[in-house]
Amino acid sequence: NAGVTQTPKFRVLKTGQSMTLLCAQDMNHEYMYWYRQDPGMGLRLIHYSVGEGTTAKGEVPDGYNVSRLKKQNFLLGLESAAPSQTSVYFCASSYSRGYRWFNEQFFGPGTRLTVL
Amino acid sequence: TQLLEQSPQFLSIQEGENLTVYCNSSSVFSSLQWYRQEPGEGPVLLVTVVTGGEVKKLKRLTFQFGDARKDSSLHITAAQPGDTGLYLCAGSNTNAGKSTFGDGTTLTVKP
Repeated sequence: NAGVTQTPKFRVLKTGQSMTLLCAQDMNHEYMYWYRQDPGMGLRLIHYSVGEGTTAKGEVPDGYNVSRLKKQNFLLGLESAAPSQTSVYFCASSYSRGYRWFNEQFFGPGTRLTVL
Repeated sequence: TQLLEQSPQFLSIQEGENLTVYCNSSSVFSSLQWYRQEPGEGPVLLVTVVTGGEVKKLKRLTFQFGDARKDSSLHITAAQPGDTGLYLCAGSNTNAGKSTFGDGTTLTVKP
């Protein structure tokens, strides 16, 4: 199993350009998340999904959109990139153990995005 | 909004020393996770604690969940350079759909 994969690994954009980050998981997990991590800081939740076809806003959703058309994929879109969106983006997935949900998350390797 | 505060923010020690890092909140969590993140990689789950007062050991790492399930600690015995990394705690509640992460403790263990 590959676990959680992210593409691309690196990307440089100019201000105003758009792009989509792809996250894929092969563990049949219900929950998926997009975070951003800035230097010296922890993880800030952008958007998340509790199941196929559903999405919800996290702490810092402005400037981003997401879609979860298939259970295994979670896409993060930047419609008009800004320098403030320069960051490392992590995708994660988690599962429920029947009635108990601990949100043990499995993370991808990250996408390093620079917006000039 | 539930917040998790981690302390210290940075810690630099010599190989062989012991250390404790803390994760504190004013909110109750149904479970709490600890993750370690190495430079250039994603966080990796170390442990989950769910019961107040619970203690879990993972080799030289000891994790404790507070009695009131509002705080947790991570103790490392005889630290090694391989323990270097960013340690993150995260709290969650059943059916919330998401976790709250602390800002992390950056640990450097010098040989």
